[in-house]
Amino acid sequence: DTGVSQDPRHKITKRGQNVTFRCDPISEHNRLYWYRQTLGQGPEFLTYFQNEAQLEKSRLLSNRFSAERPKGSFSTLEIQRTEQGDSAMYLCASSHPLAGDPYAFFGPGTRLTVL
Amino acid sequence: AQTVTQSQPEMSVQEAETVTLSCTYDTSESDYYLFWYKQPPSRQMILVIRQEAYKQQNATENRFSVNFQKAAKSFSLKISDSQLGDAAMYFCAYRLRDDKIIFGKGTRLHILP
Repeated sequence: DTGVSQDPRHKITKRGQNVTFRCDPISEHNRLYWYRQTLGQGPEFLTYFQNEAQLEKSRLLSNRFSAERPKGSFSTLEIQRTEQGDSAMYLCASSHPLAGDPYAFFGPGTRLTVL
Repeated sequence: AQTVTQSQPEMSVQEAETVTLSCTYDTSESDYYLFWYKQPPSRQMILVIRQEAYKQQNATENRFSVNFQKAAKSFSLKISDSQLGDAAMYFCAYRLRDDKIIFGKGTRLHILP
């Protein structure tokens, strides 16, 4: 399968712990996006990368959140000192602006539960 | 700032009937894309249909079609011959060229057998 993959699919953690999620985009997709989706709501933009460069960060991305894409391939999203309000589905998507299809392919998401 | 508004939190339609989901957006740009994504319960988000703003012709994909009114900034989705498998959250989304995607809050569609 050459789709977007995310790991883990589910994460339960205690408040105050750090968590890290991984996203592997579709091969050769140079754009990678992170979104957060709370129950019954639409995905909210967090940040996106073109290759290894982080082009934009939402104000939703507090200083407890950090995202990296060190080699322009996979990306990680880390949340430090988790809070109950961080509980959500974290979605990753990728796209290639020059591939003829401008839409983004989404991964299955990582569901985070903070106790 | 660009925004996407879906004014119908939930809708229901009888199986085999037609339903239209509404979406409006706000932008000052002229070159952009619009999408409808489908998210079944506990499943992955998938693209239903897309529309390039410079194209006047409305996009169609089998039973799915859109009514794109650029001047009114309206982008509705019509589902014909509704099937039980169409039950899902539907998200309208907007994207500037080479930029992030902005989503509406979604419309939950129920299919009544």
